[in-house]
Amino acid sequence: DAKTTQPPSMDCAEGRAANLPCNHSTISGNEYVYWYRQIHSQGPQYIIHGLKNNETNEMASLIITEDRKSSTLILPHATLRDTAVYYCIVRAISGNTPLVFGKGTRLSVIA
Amino acid sequence: EPEVTQTPSHQVTQMGQEVILRCVPISNHLYFYWYRQILGQKVEFLVSFYNNEISEKSEIFDDQFSVERPDGSNFTLKIRSTKLEDSAMYFCASSRLGTSTDTQYFGPGTRLTVL
Repeated sequence: DAKTTQPPSMDCAEGRAANLPCNHSTISGNEYVYWYRQIHSQGPQYIIHGLKNNETNEMASLIITEDRKSSTLILPHATLRDTAVYYCIVRAISGNTPLVFGKGTRLSVIA
Repeated sequence: EPEVTQTPSHQVTQMGQEVILRCVPISNHLYFYWYRQILGQKVEFLVSFYNNEISEKSEIFDDQFSVERPDGSNFTLKIRSTKLEDSAMYFCASSRLGTSTDTQYFGPGTRLTVL
């Protein structure tokens, strides 16, 4: 089962920042936080991952709290094409463990 | 940008028939995966494959399922005798190194409909 809790849905105005929260209170020190998204039944798309430091790439920023029990994915300027289901996934550092998807957050970007 | 491709995009079959779903992973990737998503439900891991062997499989991946890398480019999922409950989107994924920091890239999926 997924080790994360996310709100089922969120809305965001186009052009504004979308902040998607994730609770992973049972995360252990040897687990990463991953974010993927799925646009309308397409294959999941990797966004970003982190261990304890904040991370940023061309798609998003990932803010992880100091105790690592929660994180926030930030899409700085949401567009209509960012409408998707966003999955927060906890994954072990070692080995090649499968991705365990939860129900995710359905983000609707509104014009 | 290289991508994972899957064929067919939609497969309709009769219950009890065999189906083969095909995937072409990204060319320099060594680790391959199948996931499935029943309509309205979560994406679920089926199997991972490396060096011509299954690395890990889930409870879903029973004797009705098999995977193969028949040549240097294709990766296939076979369902021997399909059941109604096998109807789902099937996603192939690949990664280069197979470590936990290595990104899994997913294909667009094959929608399997079992009648």
